[in-house]
Amino acid sequence: DQQVKQNSPSLSVQEGRISILNCDYTNSMFDYFLWYKKYPAEGPTFLISISSIKDKNEDGRFTVFLNKSAKHLSLHIVPSQPGDSAVYFCAASVPSNTDKLIFGTGTRLQVFP
Amino acid sequence: DGGITQSPKYLFRKEGQNVTLSCEQNLNHDAMYWYRQDPGQGLRLIYYSQIVNDFQKGYIAEGYSVSREKKESFPLTVTSAQKNPTAFYLCASSIGGGIPEAFFGQGTRLTVV
Repeated sequence: DQQVKQNSPSLSVQEGRISILNCDYTNSMFDYFLWYKKYPAEGPTFLISISSIKDKNEDGRFTVFLNKSAKHLSLHIVPSQPGDSAVYFCAASVPSNTDKLIFGTGTRLQVFP
Repeated sequence: DGGITQSPKYLFRKEGQNVTLSCEQNLNHDAMYWYRQDPGQGLRLIYYSQIVNDFQKGYIAEGYSVSREKKESFPLTVTSAQKNPTAFYLCASSIGGGIPEAFFGQGTRLTVV
């Protein structure tokens, strides 16, 4: 039972444009969400997070939006750069156990010149 | 430099043998985690430890064992009971105390032949 879903396995975007990565979840108890970026053969790197009490969080070129009613979050990268090419994972946790993150299957982003 | 060190990067073992993956951190983090990544899948939590001398099962603990005798170290043993041990294993740590943002190591790719 995949509680966190990233339905687009891949996304291709031109440099300078906006990249939008999507994530859906089924468990309404999730109250904290994170995005990680991963290069091949390396560990993931934390990017940005959002609590369920917010609907938006920004950090430089990265913005995460949360729509609780739709159980949907998205990561916007503006402007996209070639170095952003990586696999992006969203993850979620419940209040009773924030250590037990549940990850999505990832979306591979390719930014081309 | 502070960080998480996993060794070795690549590991080969014969079927039926136990193997131990090393994970050391010098970030003074209380919590440590082991994840497994398989192709086309997200990261799945194997075990985690919120404090020294204590650890909890994650979502796929069968066939694995851990210990947490020191704050800096969280070794994972893949036993012969693990039916599909070939995978990419990632160790992570976090400050703990309900803060889930984790820092990951570079990973160990285990191949069982």
